[in-house]
This record gives sequence, C-alpha cells and structure tokens, in this order.
Amino acid sequence: GAGVSQSPRYKVAKRGQDVALRCDPISGHVSLFWYQQALGQGPEFLTYFQNEAQLDKSGLPSDRFFAERPEGSVSTLKIQRTQQEDSAVYLCASSLVLAGGSYNEQFFGPGTRLTVL
Amino acid sequence: GENVEQHPSTLSVQEGDSAVIKCTYSDSASNYFPWYKQELGKRPQLIIDIRSNVGEKKDQRIAVTLNKTAKHFSLHITETQPEDSAVYFCAASYWGTSYGKLTFGQGTILTVHP
Repeated sequence: GAGVSQSPRYKVAKRGQDVALRCDPISGHVSLFWYQQALGQGPEFLTYFQNEAQLDKSGLPSDRFFAERPEGSVSTLKIQRTQQEDSAVYLCASSLVLAGGSYNEQFFGPGTRLTVL
Repeated sequence: GENVEQHPSTLSVQEGDSAVIKCTYSDSASNYFPWYKQELGKRPQLIIDIRSNVGEKKDQRIAVTLNKTAKHFSLHITETQPEDSAVYFCAASYWGTSYGKLTFGQGTILTVHP
C-alpha cells in the first residue's frame, strides 16, 4: 500500500503569511507525529495525535503553530504569521499501535520543505 | 526530557571498510533505540532497531549494540558500499504507558569512497 504522503513538498512563504501543511498517514495507523527538521539537524518532535486526540503538543515552538487531525486520519499543521526561523523541513510520521502496545516503527513521509523569505 | 548525543558528525571511509557511529542518551527510562538512514532530500527510513532487553542485534551488514548501564548504543556497518553513503540518525524513545515519541541525535554524514 501507499506510504505516508505529505503536501505540498515545497512551500515558499513571505514573512507574515499563514501556511498549512498536510499529512496523509498510512491507512489504519492510529498514531501520528509531526517533527521539524532544521538544515543539518536531526528531526525534533512537535506534536502527537492518537486518532483525533492531540495528546502531546509540548514541542510546538510557539502559539503560532497549530495542528489538527479532526477525523483521525489526515492531519494539518498550520503556521500563522510565518517567521524566517520557521524555515525547515516538516516531517510527518505514523505508526500502527497505541501507547502500551508493542514497539512499532514510525513511518515517515517525504516532508514539506518550508522556506520563509 | 531525553537528550541524545551522536558522534561523529561526519565519517569518511573506503569501500569495504567498517563504519561505527555512537550515541549516548540521558533518560534511563528509554527502552527503544531505532536507527534511521536519510538520503539527500528523502524521508528517514528505519534500518535497524534495538530494545532495552537486548544487547546486540544484527541484520546482514549492519548491527547495533546497546549498553544500558552506560546509556550508549552504537551502529556498526561492515563491508561498506558507496550506496551506504547517507545521513544516519540514532534515536531514543520510551514505549510503555507513553507513545514512543522519538528524540533524535544530530546525525552522522557517512561518505563511502569507491
């Protein structure tokens, strides 16, 4: 089946614009994660969804960042009033099991490269 | 929270040589340690993982070792090939009552020269 997909793959925004990044997880995957990967760095956790519930948003860098997954499948990461420091690759990952289950691989999407001018 | 340190940041080897990448973690509760390979402009892909109840795991040319007491784990690639050239990331997480969010190291750029 298809893997995790993300759109758009590339986004250029002017400083101050709002952007929305989409993630389509693997069908049936309960867990969904968003990570931010700055140039030359490892991915950093932003937020976690279990179905439609956002259980952890401790990694969101500011209140300009907002994520949702209203029907427990597709997720959107929204960034309001973008700043240059928001430039990064935004990765989405999904996995099959719930907390307390067995270890399970996180499957990553190709990412959205956001450039804020 | 968890902190993962990864070394070296760059590694250059000749084809056929071995490569070793080392990581340390800070949270003794972490119990799952995956390694991801990321080619330029591509998504991270899991290449091997190890759980805290295991000391070593092998899969063909790659192996991972874990020392829980010292809180460090290492990736070993033998008989390296040019297609092994990529960025490698270690990560740590806690599975249990938690949901397994990953804390990544800073990455190692591996270059295998033909």
